[in-house]
Amino acid sequence: GAVVSQHPSWVICKSGTSVKIECRSLDFQATTMFWYRQFPKQSLMLMATSNEGSKATYEQGVEKDKFLINHASLTLSTLTVTSAHPEDSSFYICSAPNSVYTGELFFGEGSRLTVL
Amino acid sequence: GENVEQHPSTLSVQEGDSAVIKCTYSDSASNYFPWYKQELGKRPQLIIDIRSNVGEKKDQRIAVTLNKTAKHFSLHITETQPEDSAVYFCAASLTGALNFGKGTSLLVTP
Repeated sequence: GAVVSQHPSWVICKSGTSVKIECRSLDFQATTMFWYRQFPKQSLMLMATSNEGSKATYEQGVEKDKFLINHASLTLSTLTVTSAHPEDSSFYICSAPNSVYTGELFFGEGSRLTVL
Repeated sequence: GENVEQHPSTLSVQEGDSAVIKCTYSDSASNYFPWYKQELGKRPQLIIDIRSNVGEKKDQRIAVTLNKTAKHFSLHITETQPEDSAVYFCAASLTGALNFGKGTSLLVTP
């Protein structure tokens, strides 16, 4: 099946700093990627849809200036959490549909962010 | 947008018993309904999915049923085993992103 790789798997940073998370589709091209956030014992909440070569689409309530998304190639999307605060600590997971879209999403390993 | 409700939030069964998790969705246009299993700290893993042109699908001990008229779908796990213990999420979509239910924490006790 299709493989999505996410890096880093965990990161600890100081409040006020920025953190970049990378999401790569390893064996297929992904013109679209989805970024989810999951707080402890909660569901996956869609943050934004990343589109190759164009601006990301953010869900209501998600600050686009705080969560910068770049989808510069068909295999790479990045999420940058700018000026991170403790309340941004969460599990961030990217996903992508395969090139022959069947509905199934392939998820990255997830990135656990802890902001001190 | 799509709203997916999932019940129960927690479920405890004895090994060998069956487990049933139910979900409802709001958007009648949704046509894809997957179920994911997530272990602590891991990514969600697809365990079974169903499309709106099918009423039931089975894969060994796991089955999913879909009632389009009522807009609900269910996950059935038979002969549960301790390794089935995890959080299960239902989801629905038309195209693109999945909208997830809140999850069901399943505990299978030996």
